[in-house]
Amino acid sequence: AQSVAQPEDQVNVAEGNPLTVKCTYSVSGNPYLFWYVQYPNRGLQFLLKYITGDNLVKGSYGFEAEFNKSQTSFHLKKPSALVSDSALYFCAVRDGRNTDKLIFGTGTRLQVFP
Amino acid sequence: DTAVSQTPKYLVTQMGNDKSIKCEQNLGHDTMYWYKQDSKKFLKIMFSYNNKELIINETVPNRFSPKSPDKAHLNLHINSLELGDSAVYFCASSPRGAQVRRELFFGEGSRLTVL
Repeated sequence: AQSVAQPEDQVNVAEGNPLTVKCTYSVSGNPYLFWYVQYPNRGLQFLLKYITGDNLVKGSYGFEAEFNKSQTSFHLKKPSALVSDSALYFCAVRDGRNTDKLIFGTGTRLQVFP
Repeated sequence: DTAVSQTPKYLVTQMGNDKSIKCEQNLGHDTMYWYKQDSKKFLKIMFSYNNKELIINETVPNRFSPKSPDKAHLNLHINSLELGDSAVYFCASSPRGAQVRRELFFGEGSRLTVL
């Protein structure tokens, strides 16, 4: 069965510093990986995805993520954090052998301090 | 223009009541979903419909009954509401073609509170 883990409940970072939000996954087939952001009292917004090809994926709002097959990871990164990046971030995975389900991690709250 | 819209946004009701949440998408997508987000913000898939056909039915109590009158609508009806049903329910949609590559588009959520 597919699963995704976000080991950190919360990540704190100072504005202007780089940020990383961690995600690891487990699938039986090829992984298809996604990052979403949720602002308070809002729905989830798509940030970026890895399907195939280049391991470094660029997405919305200056975010990027690096797919690492050997470490089964897909960490979200941004070179310089903004206070407005403060939100809840979800990693999600779809298994190539069971494509109907998009399974979400438990979420990581990112707090960017001025 | 709202892509995935849900109504109502907030719903407060008593235990034992029956309630419905409606979802509509104007993206022309074939597949629609219901997800439940609990108080700890965990997101769990409940149902998925493709072109009005049920394709995912996770281990959800049969008090929950999705209905898809057409591929642009997926409603969720809940009978005999229980305290544990309190959550935020999200509707989402995605195109069907090459589905594995497709991200989901989410509505703003419907917060259900059962008293």
